[in-house]
Amino acid sequence: AQKITQTQPGMFVQEKEAVTLDCTYDTSDPSYGLFWYKQPSSGEMIFLIYQGSYDQQNATEGRYSLNFQKARKSANLVISASQLGDSAMYFCAMREGRNDYKLSFGAGTTVTVRA
Amino acid sequence: NAGVTQTPKFQVLKTGQSMTLQCAQDMNHNSMYWYRQDPGMGLRLIYYSASEGTTDKGEVPNGYNVSRLNKREFSLRLESAAPSQTSVYFCASSRVNEQFFGPGTRLTVL
Repeated sequence: AQKITQTQPGMFVQEKEAVTLDCTYDTSDPSYGLFWYKQPSSGEMIFLIYQGSYDQQNATEGRYSLNFQKARKSANLVISASQLGDSAMYFCAMREGRNDYKLSFGAGTTVTVRA
Repeated sequence: NAGVTQTPKFQVLKTGQSMTLQCAQDMNHNSMYWYRQDPGMGLRLIYYSASEGTTDKGEVPNGYNVSRLNKREFSLRLESAAPSQTSVYFCASSRVNEQFFGPGTRLTVL
C-alpha cells in the first residue's frame, strides 16, 4: 500500500493567491514525521517544513504552513501569497518510528504560478 | 559548510559498465541514504546507513551495492549497469526532523 498519496498531479495558481497541496499518509506507528520538499526545475531538493506526530500545533515556516489533521491522516501544505518562484514540483514525505529517519515519498504535485 | 556533496553530477554509461557514485556530508549526521528519482516520480530509497558500519536495503536495492566508508562518506556502486538504472540519484543525510539532500547525479545508461 502507498504510504504517501498526493492526488493532484498539477495545479495552477494566480500570483499572490494561496494554494493548498494535498497529502494523505498511511502508518500504524504512533511516532512519525511529515516533510514537504520543493524541487524546482534545476532539480535540487529543498526542505520546506516538518511536522512531528506529537506536535500540538501546525508547523509554519514563513509563507508555508502545514495543515495537520491527524485523525484524517492528512498533512496538506498551504503556500500563501504565491510568487512566480514557487513554480516547482512539491513532494510530501514521511518517516516512521522514533529512530528511523528514512523517508517515503509521494509522487509529487507540480505547481505553476501564473502572473 | 558544504552540506551534502555528490560526484559526479552527470554520467553516461554503456550497459554492463560499472561505476561508483560518491557522497559526503560535513554535518556529523549518523544516518545517510541513497535515493533514485525516475521521471515524473517521487524519490525511492535504494539503500541507507543508520550509522557508521551499518547498511540496509531500501525499497529498490537490486543492482546496487553500498559502502559506508566512514561517518562522512557513503558510496553507491553499480556493478553492471542496465538501462533501467537510468535515473537521477540523490544522496542525503539526516537528523530527526530534517533530511538534507545533495545536488543529485544524473545517470544515463545506454
